[in-house]
Amino acid sequence: GAGVSQSPRYKVAKRGQDVALRCDPISGHVSLFWYQQALGQGPEFLTYFQNEAQLDKSGLPSDRFFAERPEGSVSTLKIQRTQQEDSAVYLCASSVGSGSHNGYTFGSGTRLTVV
Amino acid sequence: SQQGEEDPQALSIQEGENATMNCSYKTSINNLQWYRQNSGRGLVHLILIRSNEREKHSGRLRVTLDTSKKSSSLLITASRAADTASYFCATDDMEYGNKLVFGAGTILRVKS
Repeated sequence: GAGVSQSPRYKVAKRGQDVALRCDPISGHVSLFWYQQALGQGPEFLTYFQNEAQLDKSGLPSDRFFAERPEGSVSTLKIQRTQQEDSAVYLCASSVGSGSHNGYTFGSGTRLTVV
Repeated sequence: SQQGEEDPQALSIQEGENATMNCSYKTSINNLQWYRQNSGRGLVHLILIRSNEREKHSGRLRVTLDTSKKSSSLLITASRAADTASYFCATDDMEYGNKLVFGAGTILRVKS
């Protein structure tokens, strides 16, 4: 597609509920990134895929967070047993190459509110 | 944890004035990028400057990079109300590999 698409745009979850957030990157983009952005803060890195391989998951805050990109295109970020501190905007970005020298294209994000 | 720090945290100017935002970072970098984020939206890539460049222009944007001071500045000339947004610097640095590390951002408000 023309841009990075994320769904849903908004998600309200009850504490303890599992959620799944979807990212459709630009077709053919090798790299895919997930970021978490708390209110009033800059994006914080969560995880990075190069094609289907998850090369860096150092930013995932706990083992409740899991990401996958099984066919090297669409990616899903799953959060199990959501907590209030998980409330944030989750941003997905893709890049044509393996580095950042072409910049990232971001989606509009999913705003997760845990109540 | 975030690599860069922007200052000021917030900036309010009149339409037509210039806006300058600064960014400092901590480690060696391959490149530094600036992004804009409108409220409730994703980030939009504005400009990239490589570590061996000192200045770069794109339309009304001018970016400088001083690797000896580990700092960068973004200048927006002849600002417009539509420039109202948050601006973030991000570094792709040698320590962190492929991922970009973002600062906390500067909130710019341009009054018409």
